Amino acid sequence: GQNIDQPTEMTATEGAIVQINCTYQTSGFNGLFWYQQHAGEAPTFLSYNVLDGLEEKGRFSSFLSRSKGYSYLLLKELQMKDSASYLCAVRAGSSGGSYIPTFGRGTSLIVHP
Amino acid sequence: DAMVIQNPRYQVTQFGKPVTLSCSQTLNHNVMYWYQQKSSQAPKLLFHYYDKDFNNEADTPDNFQSRRPNTSFCFLDIRSPGLGDAAMYLCATSRGEGIIEPQHFGDGTRLSIL
Repeated sequence: GQNIDQPTEMTATEGAIVQINCTYQTSGFNGLFWYQQHAGEAPTFLSYNVLDGLEEKGRFSSFLSRSKGYSYLLLKELQMKDSASYLCAVRAGSSGGSYIPTFGRGTSLIVHP
Repeated sequence: DAMVIQNPRYQVTQFGKPVTLSCSQTLNHNVMYWYQQKSSQAPKLLFHYYDKDFNNEADTPDNFQSRRPNTSFCFLDIRSPGLGDAAMYLCATSRGEGIIEPQHFGDGTRLSIL
């Protein structure tokens, strides 16, 4: 099985930078994905990492260290609309050969003026 | 254009009355997934299909069944819904193993039990 851990809640100020951490324990690691989910809506894809290092996509960046089982999502120039839950999902191989992502419970980010 | 479509967006049923949720996709993806998500919790995988091959998670209750009559459609059947089954049900697709790319989610169906 997999164990994925994220902080439950974070708050930040509009215009600031926030880092959301995700730690995991798994075998057969095959990728880590970050999703944004607004209340009552489906998750939408933000970023993913397969190899160690930083991936940058506009205001969002994601970092991965496979040896440490650690990733973070960095959000810059925070906007009020960034208030949402951020889900870390780890993809790992199974005995059946398919790679099924397992989600963390998400970090609820509250951006205030 | 929506590529993973779930109907209905909101479903109300009575305790013990069977209910079916539907999902369709225009992406021609091999894999379709059903997740259950309760408030402030992680999406929990119920089962997935790789083409016609059905894969049930070990802790998915027998009350939950699924059908995939063709590539485009997948259904979630709840045979006798209990109050604890009230949740958001998310359908997702992906191309399949060996391809590292994100899942595509539908907008979800929020199920309420009276």
